[in-house]
Amino acid sequence: EPEVTQTPSHQVTQMGQEVILRCVPISNHLYFYWYRQILGQKVEFLVSFYNNEISEKSEIFDDQFSVERPDGSNFTLKIRSTKLEDSAMYFCASSADYSNQPQHFGDGTRLSIL
Amino acid sequence: DAKTTQPNSMESNEEEPVHLPCNHSTISGTDYIHWYRQLPSQGPEYVIHGLTSNVNNRMASLAIAEDRKSSTLILHRATLRDAAVYYCILRDAAYNTDKLIFGTGTRLQVFP
Repeated sequence: EPEVTQTPSHQVTQMGQEVILRCVPISNHLYFYWYRQILGQKVEFLVSFYNNEISEKSEIFDDQFSVERPDGSNFTLKIRSTKLEDSAMYFCASSADYSNQPQHFGDGTRLSIL
Repeated sequence: DAKTTQPNSMESNEEEPVHLPCNHSTISGTDYIHWYRQLPSQGPEYVIHGLTSNVNNRMASLAIAEDRKSSTLILHRATLRDAAVYYCILRDAAYNTDKLIFGTGTRLQVFP
């Protein structure tokens, strides 16, 4: 069964450094998402992406964050200048269609900011 | 966003059926009921969804009350691998958003 893959599984970065989290969505999917989960807390929506542009973003997704689909397969989340509070699990998801199609999640990247 | 209420935790023995309840008394006519689960150290995983009628798939069954103010996810024979946090989420087909809004869910423990 096709799956969403994320790399790296764990990223350790110094505060203030830029970090890029990578995702390979399921190949025929058109809608892409990033979520995050701070340890012990809820899964939170960050951003959705369709047709090479952001379709929706949350308040968390401020100017330090950006997303890109640089080629036909990868979907990336960049944090420009990391803060301690950016430490979390970051999940990428994709779906074939809008609204009521299931979103398929990767196993996440654990981001640790020192 | 319409809200859902779930018990914080439930327990089951292996090979027994599990009924996970969800209350959504403010559900609107266009809200679909979705269930996801999150196994330890993994991303969320889609389980099932429905609008009005009961639904079955290879993972579970979804029973929706006639007034749609509550629903129940049914795992017919729990296995140890079913130990996870289960999330009941409403998604409005009429609203211009497809984000998932996760609550705290129900943590299911399965005992051998």
